[in-house]
Amino acid sequence: ETGVTQSPTHLIKTRGQQVTLRCSSQSGHNTVSWYQQALGQGPQFIFQYYREEENGRGNFPPRFSGLQFPNYSSELNVNALELDDSALYLCASSLKGDIQYFGAGTRLSVL
Amino acid sequence: AQKVTQAQTEISVVEKEDVTLDCVYETRDTTYYLFWYKQPPSGELVFLIRRNSFDEQNEISGRYSWNFQKSTSSFNFTITASQVVDSAVYFCALSEGTSNFGNEKLTFGTGTRLTIIP
Repeated sequence: ETGVTQSPTHLIKTRGQQVTLRCSSQSGHNTVSWYQQALGQGPQFIFQYYREEENGRGNFPPRFSGLQFPNYSSELNVNALELDDSALYLCASSLKGDIQYFGAGTRLSVL
Repeated sequence: AQKVTQAQTEISVVEKEDVTLDCVYETRDTTYYLFWYKQPPSGELVFLIRRNSFDEQNEISGRYSWNFQKSTSSFNFTITASQVVDSAVYFCALSEGTSNFGNEKLTFGTGTRLTIIP
């Protein structure tokens, strides 16, 4: 196990709602990255946080936002949910520039 | 722009057979990093290997081996004497070398679903 934990495991929301996903990074890691994995696809980079600041962002709209806390845990927030937001959301923790270790993900279903 | 192609969508082999998963990448950077991750049904991506663009030596780890060829932009993964526990989706990924270790944004391929038949 990587020591990266995500909550909740599963989540069901309706279109237009807002959702917050949480990630606890591995002890000693200072960087958290978030990825979206649609069914049958590879993970797509959403953004990365390093020392509480955004450090790179993928091609996702502003309604995807995040936070990193002083203990390096992180949240992913998605506003105005759309049906296409249904996916597995993966969090990865690392030391800056080092190997990313992933959690088991949060499976979000938007109805 | 970076791109990773895994042309094999699904592969099935009988247990104990050898199997090779292909990965072809595109990047304009001279410094980059290549990875393989395994995704079992639980969903967690399990790190297998990282290679930097300056190290073309092949690597072997138990039943796993990797063949990196810059001339063909390929980073293939071979499992020798496959076992049922090897059944999973395998992803190849690429990152640019933005620091001594690189590994910021990971660009993944679409994955290869490997099924080992008992």
